Amino acid sequence: QVQLEQSGGDVRKPGASVKVSCKASGYTFSNYGIAWVRRAPGQGPEWMGWSSPYNFNTYYAQNFQGRVTMTADTSTSTASMELRSLRSDDTAVYYCARVQSNYLHGTYYFSYMDVWGKGTSVTVSS
Amino acid sequence: QSSLTQPPSVSAAPGQTVSISCSGGSSNIGINSVSWYQHLPGTAPKLLIFDTDKRPSGIPDRFSGSKSGTSATLGITGLQTGDEADYYCATWDIRLSIVLFGGGTKVTVL
Repeated sequence: QVQLEQSGGDVRKPGASVKVSCKASGYTFSNYGIAWVRRAPGQGPEWMGWSSPYNFNTYYAQNFQGRVTMTADTSTSTASMELRSLRSDDTAVYYCARVQSNYLHGTYYFSYMDVWGKGTSVTVSS
Repeated sequence: QSSLTQPPSVSAAPGQTVSISCSGGSSNIGINSVSWYQHLPGTAPKLLIFDTDKRPSGIPDRFSGSKSGTSATLGITGLQTGDEADYYCATWDIRLSIVLFGGGTKVTVL
């Protein structure tokens, strides 16, 4: 069945970087986009960005511009998200999700997320 | 970053019906479809409703979605103890070019 398996939790010091991986199975990886969402303790989900299918063009939320890089390796069906210059308020559970998108006039548009990973806990603490 | 507005919690007895509202604006719910997710801590969120009112296969018809203007609603009929979870709405915002989420609604079955 369609699954997204995420890497294990991590603890990082402020200023460090963290890379979370998301291995897809059960479907053709390049046919779908991948989104990254995080949920900090006691807060609602926060959109970080997504990569479109096929060419995996990336679209980052402004809040994370310059600090995040999302990549996709089609040979291993694995998406990754690296967040740099970590702060304590980056402590959260990070989720990857498969994106259903619409293709219109040469551009992919986000529609919804239909399959999610179980999340990766990242704690930023000195 | 803005978010959509949901009630923090709703509750009802088994077998009853609950409705969860999700309020947004003209640049998000007013112009785009809405999706709804069920989330239990420690598990993967589950898609309940997409394209505002469609259910993925395997989601019972006790769950329904609708939209009017800049607000969307998730309805759950025949409430079951297994429905106790957090529920989130989400939609694309064309002004911010991001997905906005609601703050989440905790459903309690009394």
